[in-house]
Amino acid sequence: QVQLQQSGAELVKPGTSVKLSCKASGYTFTSNHMNWIKQTTGQGLEWIGIINPGSGGTSYNVKFKGKATLTVDKSSSTAFMQLSSLTPEDSAVYYCARRELTWFAYWGQGTLVTVSS
Amino acid sequence: EIVLTQSPTTMTASPGEKVTITCRASSSVSYMHWYQQKPGASPKPWIYETSKLASGVPDRFSGSGSGTSYSLTINNMEAEDAATYYCQQWNYPSLTFGSGTKLEIK
Repeated sequence: QVQLQQSGAELVKPGTSVKLSCKASGYTFTSNHMNWIKQTTGQGLEWIGIINPGSGGTSYNVKFKGKATLTVDKSSSTAFMQLSSLTPEDSAVYYCARRELTWFAYWGQGTLVTVSS
Repeated sequence: EIVLTQSPTTMTASPGEKVTITCRASSSVSYMHWYQQKPGASPKPWIYETSKLASGVPDRFSGSGSGTSYSLTINNMEAEDAATYYCQQWNYPSLTFGSGTKLEIK
């Protein structure tokens, strides 16, 4: 069965970077685009961007350009998202989600990122 | 960016009651998708491409709509349906979610 296993919670300091991972299993990794989504209590769900694991091609929500960088490692079927220049506003739960045409059929369990000094 | 406005923001329903949640888009979209989320869990796909039930979703749920107005309906509310429901659209390059409707059981 399809599974997306995300890395554990992170407590990071303002101004630093963090790299989250999402390991896919149960399907051919390069067959579906992977997305990243941010969830906060105040802003709800926000789409960050998408990556084509086969080509490495990416597309970002304008709001997250320069903040998020999406990459993949095909050899381990893992997608990554690096968040840079972190501020408290980046504190959130981040999900990876597999694209099915225009919706998301599979979601990871989420990674909580807390930005605090 | 296409803005999705859900209503109501919160609501309480009794067991057996019919529930309707609305999602209005700021511009016309081709499809609307819905997710159910319970506390501490990831969103689950619930209704996709406006009216198709995701795997395992009870048939008391239905979805409808077109253009800028979409809805999710529950016939005969059950306790397990208490959750937050989000709508989502993807008219490339704009992908947005509604702000959610929290549904509680009386």
